[in-house]
Amino acid sequence: GENVEQHPSTLSVQEGDSAVIKCTYSDSASNYFPWYKQELGKRPQLIIDIRSNVGEKKDQRIAVTLNKTAKHFSLHITETQPEDSAVYFCAAIGGYNKLIFGAGTRLAVHP
Amino acid sequence: NAGVTQTPKFQVLKTGQSMTLQCAQDMNHNSMYWYRQDPGMGLRLIYYSASEGTTDKGEVPNGYNVSRLNKREFSLRLESAAPSQTSVYFCASSEPRVTEAFFGQGTRLTVV
Repeated sequence: GENVEQHPSTLSVQEGDSAVIKCTYSDSASNYFPWYKQELGKRPQLIIDIRSNVGEKKDQRIAVTLNKTAKHFSLHITETQPEDSAVYFCAAIGGYNKLIFGAGTRLAVHP
Repeated sequence: NAGVTQTPKFQVLKTGQSMTLQCAQDMNHNSMYWYRQDPGMGLRLIYYSASEGTTDKGEVPNGYNVSRLNKREFSLRLESAAPSQTSVYFCASSEPRVTEAFFGQGTRLTVV
């Protein structure tokens, strides 16, 4: 079945720096890769997603890249701000529409 | 438009008690999911339903059962609660590969 690994588990950056979170997946049939942000005590919410026919997607300060050959995808946040502090999850939809999440990355942005 | 609604929001159970967590979505999505999130941990898939009338096990199904009552509703049942099932439970729905997964507000369950 699908397995998604996410690194690092924690990430601390200074305001204005960039942050990169990396994920790998196991199911070669996966073709949809969303990223979710979860603030403390709240539900996860989608911030960006990418499909397998696209190599890169950008939305303002957030970008996601996908390497299907290597089965890995990454989230890039530029010009980080304190409000970016949260837990970020990558995910993949494998066979049978099973949505599997990575273990999460706790991002702390220090002023 | 309510999205995904879970009930209850909070629950305390004694070991051995049973309960059902309810989830309903009004977005006409085919797929629904139940996840658990332990403190400081990720979202682990308990069960999912790819479409009405089908259910399948996820990563951590032991101790749980589910029912896809109709297209809108997907319930999670704990037959005999154990302290290890203390967690926050999230229900989600999506139209796979078309839309994002939308989450309910979560149920914080404590088993004592």
